[in-house]
Amino acid sequence: AQTVTQSQPEMSVQEAETVTLSCTYDTSESDYYLFWYKQPPSRQMILVIRQEAYKQQNATENRFSVNFQKAAKSFSLKISDSQLGDAAMYFCAYTNYGGSQGNLIFGKGTKLSVKP
Amino acid sequence: DAGVIQSPRHEVTEMGQEVTLRCKPISGHDYLFWYRQTMMRGLELLIYFNNNVPIDDSGMPEDRFSAKMPNASFSTLKIQPSEPRDSAVYFCAISGGPYEQYFGPGTRLTVT
Repeated sequence: AQTVTQSQPEMSVQEAETVTLSCTYDTSESDYYLFWYKQPPSRQMILVIRQEAYKQQNATENRFSVNFQKAAKSFSLKISDSQLGDAAMYFCAYTNYGGSQGNLIFGKGTKLSVKP
Repeated sequence: DAGVIQSPRHEVTEMGQEVTLRCKPISGHDYLFWYRQTMMRGLELLIYFNNNVPIDDSGMPEDRFSAKMPNASFSTLKIQPSEPRDSAVYFCAISGGPYEQYFGPGTRLTVT
């Protein structure tokens, strides 16, 4: 069974600085998708970024980028120029490619605080 | 915002009562998912539908839980009878792209 592990329960960053959130996963599949979701205090789950395993290029969305290391099964999220609005829970998620769309597996989350 | 409305946003009920949570997607989709989020267990998939047909309900905790999707624009998750351990945030999500899921705002359920 696939698993997703986020080893940092909490992280803190100074406003305008850069922070990296870690995620590792375990799978025997070769094709899959990885995601980062943000959950602010409003509790709305917001999709931040997506990475396809078959793509070697790391995904980037504005200030958010990932470091995808397929062999190491690592998928970290880098937030550049951190803003107060980035404070939230961040969840790493995994799903197989080619199978059902129901098996989105989440990590336990990392709580990010942003200090002014 | 992929367009998912959930109601109610908050629900407080007494143990033993029936609870119905509602989800209304307002954009096109093929899949609809129900999740539960608790501090102890994190985010768990309860059930999902493809073209209004339930595909996998293995995450439904017990027979007290049931879900329906009578049409593409509406789904319900019912708990009967409710118990305090059912207290959680329940999310409805839809698929908006290749394996991406877009979530509604959630319903916070408290069972006393």
